[in-house]
Amino acid sequence: NAGVTQTPKFRVLKTGQSMTLLCAQDMNHEYMYWYRQDPGMGLRLIHYSVGEGTTAKGEVPDGYNVSRLKKQNFLLGLESAAPSQTSVYFCASSYLRGAGEQFFGPGTRLTVL
Amino acid sequence: QQQVKQSPQSLIVQKGGISIINCAYENTAFDYFPWYQQFPGKGPALLIAIRPDVSEKKEGRFTISFNKSAKQFSLHIMDSQPGDSATYFCAASSSGTASKLTFGTGTRLQVTL
Repeated sequence: NAGVTQTPKFRVLKTGQSMTLLCAQDMNHEYMYWYRQDPGMGLRLIHYSVGEGTTAKGEVPDGYNVSRLKKQNFLLGLESAAPSQTSVYFCASSYLRGAGEQFFGPGTRLTVL
Repeated sequence: QQQVKQSPQSLIVQKGGISIINCAYENTAFDYFPWYQQFPGKGPALLIAIRPDVSEKKEGRFTISFNKSAKQFSLHIMDSQPGDSATYFCAASSSGTASKLTFGTGTRLQVTL
């Protein structure tokens, strides 16, 4: 049982490049989330999904797109990376109508030059 | 708009001492208040959580105190140990919102020998 995994662990992009971050969970969770973590700002929700085929905007969605084609996977895309998107990205998942506990992946550190 | 305010930003406590981290929230619809612990290079992990129907919850050396009227909650770490050195985040969510968490900005705790 791997829990929540994220690919890649590190990535360096140039301004304007695109990339996709992959999140996978093997706990059969309905809900999945993408956060970004920046110093002094905590974790901020980018997008989330309440089930396969659904996505919704979070607190800071601009510049990002997501897809949930399979229940176990949640993809975060950057179409045209900007230096302001330099951050650590965390994926999380949780049970449907559970106690609210979210299980986090190990993170992806992204640098945009 | 910071819906969950956390203080202090950093904290240094001697081994065996008590660590106290405070959070205040604005949204009265919040009904789930977890604390997450994050070690360097890792994703956050749930430490302890409380719902507003109780004023205190204790798990081992970790206690949450909750004051509904003041819209405040705090984490107390008794007999703090060097292994407790980590960043702690308070968070809040409300039922029916896909368990979306609003995080505080984090407290970096260092427990010295």
